[in-house]
Amino acid sequence: ILNVEQSPQSLHVQEGDSTNFTCSFPSSNFYALHWYRWETAKSPEALFVMTLNGDEKKKGRISATLNTKEGYSYLYIKGSQPEDSATYLCAFAMKTSYDKVIFGPGTSLSVIP
Amino acid sequence: NAGVTQTPKFRVLKTGQSMTLLCAQDMNHEYMYWYRQDPGMGLRLIHYSVGEGTTAKGEVPDGYNVSRLKKQNFLLGLESAAPSQTSVYFCASSDLADTGTDTQYFGPGTRLTVL
Repeated sequence: ILNVEQSPQSLHVQEGDSTNFTCSFPSSNFYALHWYRWETAKSPEALFVMTLNGDEKKKGRISATLNTKEGYSYLYIKGSQPEDSATYLCAFAMKTSYDKVIFGPGTSLSVIP
Repeated sequence: NAGVTQTPKFRVLKTGQSMTLLCAQDMNHEYMYWYRQDPGMGLRLIHYSVGEGTTAKGEVPDGYNVSRLKKQNFLLGLESAAPSQTSVYFCASSDLADTGTDTQYFGPGTRLTVL
């Protein structure tokens, strides 16, 4: 069973702080890496999908980078706001079975006003 | 567009009872998925379907069965519920174009408790 890991498990930051967290995945057999944002009592929603080594994606204050050779992706949030409080999930698609993805356990972010 | 809907939203079962969870999507997506979400474990794939009439096992298929008789619906069945199946169940769908990079669209979840 392939492992997708995320760290830290949870994070508490003050409003205005910038923060980042990590998704680690197997570097071989890489096809795509997804980031989802999951607010409490809602469904996961897609943030980014990245496919190429060195990819960088940005949406507002949130950005992500990808290193497929070493098997990790970073998600950055600049100037965290209370509305950024959510669980952030990454999901890894393999080249040999890209009809499904493997989700990491998530990083739970709480932004304190 | 309702997107992905799930029925029911909540259910309490006794050990040994059976039930079916219904997932429906109106986006004409080919791919549909059933996940369970447990604390600290993220989303784990139970079964999935790559088109009408097809199903495949995911990471944790034991104790569950699925059917995809119509493209828009994906049913998850528990034949004999066990307390270990207490979880929140999410359905998702995605388009056929490039399933590895396609976004999955999730339903609101079904919270199931097995006593």
